[in-house]
Order: sequence, then structure tokens, then C-alpha cells
Amino acid sequence: EPEVTQTPSHQVTQMGQEVILRCVPISNHLYFYWYRQILGQKVEFLVSFYNNEISEKSEIFDDQFSVERPDGSNFTLKIRSTKLEDSAMYFCASSEMTGLETQYFGPGTRLLVL
Amino acid sequence: KQEVTQIPAALSVPEGENLVLNCSFTDSAIYNLQWFRQDPGKGLTSLLLIQSSQREQTSGRLNASLDKSSGRSTLYIAASQPGDSATYLCAVQTGANNLFFGTGTRLTVIP
Repeated sequence: EPEVTQTPSHQVTQMGQEVILRCVPISNHLYFYWYRQILGQKVEFLVSFYNNEISEKSEIFDDQFSVERPDGSNFTLKIRSTKLEDSAMYFCASSEMTGLETQYFGPGTRLLVL
Repeated sequence: KQEVTQIPAALSVPEGENLVLNCSFTDSAIYNLQWFRQDPGKGLTSLLLIQSSQREQTSGRLNASLDKSSGRSTLYIAASQPGDSATYLCAVQTGANNLFFGTGTRLTVIP
């Protein structure tokens, strides 16, 4: 069964460093998303992406964040200058056609900022 | 702003028992509601999706209902098994694409 994959599974970085989190959505899906979950808190929406552009973003997704689909398979989330409060599990998700179907989530990347 | 609440926060039941998890949301203008399962340190596994025009969905031992007007959904798990132990999250889709999640119910099924 097709699934969303994410790399790396864990990343440790120093405050102020740039990180890139990678995702490979399910191949025939058109909508892509990033969510994050700070330890012990709710899963929060960051951004959705369709047709090579951001379709919606939350207030969390400020100028430090950017997303890109550099080729036909990868979808990346970049954090330019990490802060301690960026430590969280980051989930990538994808959905098929309209953005109103089931969203399928990857296993997540656990980011720790020291 | 949409707020999603799940009660109880944690639940422990003996194996074989039927159980109900509750989810409520403040804005009834939703497109759909999804139930997920999250195992410790892992990603989210989609269990059921109910469109706003539907009243319920079933998959195996799981049955989810939706009462959009009252802002409520329930997830019914029949004949619970130890393998059902996980955190169950509900999420509603209200806008373009994003999901609003609840804080989850942590379920433990005791053998």
C-alpha cells in the first residue's frame, strides 16, 4: 500500500541553524501538507501546498519557514534559523484530488533544537 | 476559531469491552471529520473519514458517527483488543485544506 515517507526520522540541530525536512508524498496525490506536534500538545497545521504554490498557511508559518517541491516526488520544509521552540515532531501529509479527502500522514521527523 | 475537544483524555478498559470516544467541535461549518490513531512516537494512521453530509462510517470493529448540527462525533470500538491501545485523535476540516485536531484520548486495553 502506498505511503508517505519522511527523512530524517530524527534531527538534532543548534539554535540558529537551518534545517530541511524531506517528504515523499503518495505518488498520485496533488495536495501536500506540513503539520507539527510539540510534545504533549495538539497536532497543528502549518501549511498546505497545491499546484506548486502555497494554498493556505497558519500563523505559525512565518518568514522562517518555507516549502518547496524541488522535483516530481519530494516535498520539503525548510526552517531558516531554528529556535528552541521549533522542537517538535513534524508530519508531512498528502491527499488525492480535491483536498477534501482523507489526508495520509507520514511517520514524522522529530526535530530537537539545542 | 475552530476548537476541537476530546473526552475523556485517557481511558482504560479490559479486553473485550465495547467503548465510545467523544469529540466535539465549536464551528459546525465543516467539510469532514477524520479519526486517526497515533501510536507512541509514531505518525498518524487514518481510521475513518466522515463527510459533512454523512451520519456515520464503519470499518471493521470501528464505527464513527457525526452530528454536525450539535458539533459532535463519536468513535465506537467494539470488542476491544490490546492492539487497540493507542491515542485516538479526531480532526475537522473547515477551511481550504487544513485539519484542526483535538488533544486526543489515550486508550489502554488491558489483557
